[in-house]
Amino acid sequence: DAGVIQSPRHEVTEMGQEVTLRCKPISGHDYLFWYRQTMMRGLELLIYFNNNVPIDDSGMPEDRFSAKMPNASFSTLKIQPSEPRDSAVYFCASRLRAGPVNTEAFFGQGTRLTVV
Amino acid sequence: GNSVTQMEGPVTLSEEAFLTINCTYTATGYPSLFWYVQYPGEGLQLLLKATKADDKGSNKGFEATYRKETTSFHLEKGSVQVSDSAVYFCALSRNTGGFKTIFGAGTRLFVKA
Repeated sequence: DAGVIQSPRHEVTEMGQEVTLRCKPISGHDYLFWYRQTMMRGLELLIYFNNNVPIDDSGMPEDRFSAKMPNASFSTLKIQPSEPRDSAVYFCASRLRAGPVNTEAFFGQGTRLTVV
Repeated sequence: GNSVTQMEGPVTLSEEAFLTINCTYTATGYPSLFWYVQYPGEGLQLLLKATKADDKGSNKGFEATYRKETTSFHLEKGSVQVSDSAVYFCALSRNTGGFKTIFGAGTRLFVKA
C-alpha cells in the first residue's frame, strides 16, 4: 500500500483565498483524522471521521474551516477565507479499528501551508 | 480526560550516549501507548507501541515499557546516533469510547557527532 497520500505537499496562497487540502487514506481504514502542527501549539486534532461520518469536529478553530469525506478513499480540508495565522503543516492520518493490535494511526507526509 | 505529558526539549546528546525521554499519561480504561518519530520535513512515523500493561515495545534499538502503576511509557535507547535526531511524540489511543489518538507536545532530540 502507498500509505496515506496528501496533496499538495506545499501551498502558498494569499490572504483571503480559498485553500483546499486533500487526503487519500489507506485502503480499508475506517478512521480518518486531520491534524495541524505549528511551533506554538504543537500537534492539534482538528476533526476526525468514522466510516465517512464526522465524529468530532471540536478542534476546528473557526467556521472558516470545513472538512468533508464524500467516500472512503477521499477527504478534503478547506479554509475559506485563509488568513496568515492559518500557516502550518496539516497532516492527514488514517487508522483501522480492528482490535487492540491495530490501533496506531498512519500519517501522510503533510501539506505545508503558507498564507501571505 | 485523556492526556499525555512528555519532557520538554530540546535534548542534546553526544553520539553513543544513553537516551531517556519521559512520558506519563492520564486515561480511563486501558489505552494503547505509542511513540512516534518525526524527521525533518516528514510526517509522523510509528516507532513502537504497547497495548497492555507490562508490554515492552521495541524497534531500531529504542524501547519503552507500559507501566500502569506509574502511568508511564518512557522511551530509552542505549546508544544514540546522529541519525536519531528528530522529534519524538508520545501518544495514546483507546478502542472504546472514542478513537482519536492523543499526542504529547513532542521532544526534539539533537545528537552531536
